[in-house]
Amino acid sequence: SAVISQKPSRDICQRGTSLTIQCQVDSQVTMMFWYRQQPGQSLTLIATANQGSEATYESGFVIDKFPISRPNLTFSTLTVSNMSPEDSSIYLCSVAGDSGRGTDTQYFGPGTRLTVL
Amino acid sequence: SQKIEQNSEALNIQEGKTATLTCNYTNYSPAYLQWYRQDPGRGPVFLLLIRENEKEKRKERLKVTFDTTLKQSLFHITASQPADSATYLCALETSGTYKYIFGTGTRLKVLA
Repeated sequence: SAVISQKPSRDICQRGTSLTIQCQVDSQVTMMFWYRQQPGQSLTLIATANQGSEATYESGFVIDKFPISRPNLTFSTLTVSNMSPEDSSIYLCSVAGDSGRGTDTQYFGPGTRLTVL
Repeated sequence: SQKIEQNSEALNIQEGKTATLTCNYTNYSPAYLQWYRQDPGRGPVFLLLIRENEKEKRKERLKVTFDTTLKQSLFHITASQPADSATYLCALETSGTYKYIFGTGTRLKVLA
């Protein structure tokens, strides 16, 4: 298993500003994921961040809006840029086993609750 | 397009009864399906994984079934307890890789 922490746990931001969310894992993992969970909605995968390569973004998400860093095997950041109220959501990071297969369990962080005014 | 449906309405049951949650999907043939528990203000926690060639999987008081013909998974909690109250999410593997699509979840409340 993996223990994941996120910072900040919550924030209230002004429109047009940017927020960087940090994700720290207690063990080295290859694959990290960033999700968004809007109120009453399911988790939506934003991107996959593997150490040593560029993040891979899902349809509807772009690097300019959600730049991701993955400097080492235990840490990643997600920046929400030029925020609007529509970005208000919970942002979650997760990690999975290294097989890269569907049988891997995902472990999630506690999430960052973002409110954009 | 791929679609996953879980009952969006909350499910209230009496303590000691069996809770049954449903996950239906369309336009999809996942090889794996997972169930997660999510408590308010926390990230999802993995509970069970079931493969397409497995009809049923059990873990303590939990049981999951996977009917690929009906395109449905059922999640059962037997002898339910108030501590089982949470939102339960199903997630389906996509593209034969690590990527999962999550349902919206069903909120379960077990009444003492």
